[in-house]
Amino acid sequence: NAGVMQNPRHLVRRRGQEARLRCSPMKGHSHVYWYRQLPEEGLKFMVYLQKENIIDESGMPKERFSAEFPKEGPSILRIQQVVRGDSAAYFCASSRGTGTKNIQYFGAGTRLSVL
Amino acid sequence: GDSVTQMEGPVTLSEEAFLTINCTYTATGYPSLFWYVQYPGEGLQLLLKATKADDKGSNKGFEATYRKETTSFHLEKGSVQVSDSAVYFCALLNAGGTSYGKLTFGQGTILTVHP
Repeated sequence: NAGVMQNPRHLVRRRGQEARLRCSPMKGHSHVYWYRQLPEEGLKFMVYLQKENIIDESGMPKERFSAEFPKEGPSILRIQQVVRGDSAAYFCASSRGTGTKNIQYFGAGTRLSVL
Repeated sequence: GDSVTQMEGPVTLSEEAFLTINCTYTATGYPSLFWYVQYPGEGLQLLLKATKADDKGSNKGFEATYRKETTSFHLEKGSVQVSDSAVYFCALLNAGGTSYGKLTFGQGTILTVHP
């Protein structure tokens, strides 16, 4: 039973480059959530997606950030023109459904460093 | 909006000591409550959960009881081990209103257990 898979584990980008973070949910899970963890802080919600749909993006910065969860393939969190303040750990979680089925399981995260 | 407040850390204990990490929350409706644990360099692992008032979640010797009257979900363990050293996060899930399925996290409590 593979858990939530995220890659890469570590990503280094220079300012102005693009960062693409991938997340494959657990088998049987169709709900994906992205969270960001800044140094010395807790996790902050970014976006919630189901297959091909964005359900809640209230935590996403208005510019440079986007997310998708296509019908086939992993969910992608994309950060364009990265800045140093984007350096953080980005975690993906997945769940089987909503309500009582919304038990979220987390991946190991992608640690983004912007030089 | 929803919020979670954890006791400030870090917490340092000797092996076999009793552990309490306080967690209180503010939320409308009837949220589900969770404790997650994060070991160094890893993602979050679900430790235990409770979905309604007076429920007790338990796992690996850890326990927490959902107290609606005091809006609390304190984490306890009778005898900690060195291997329990990690960061502990309290979180709530409020599926009502516009919260959909996102988890709201506390700031995390660093626990260090010495032999």
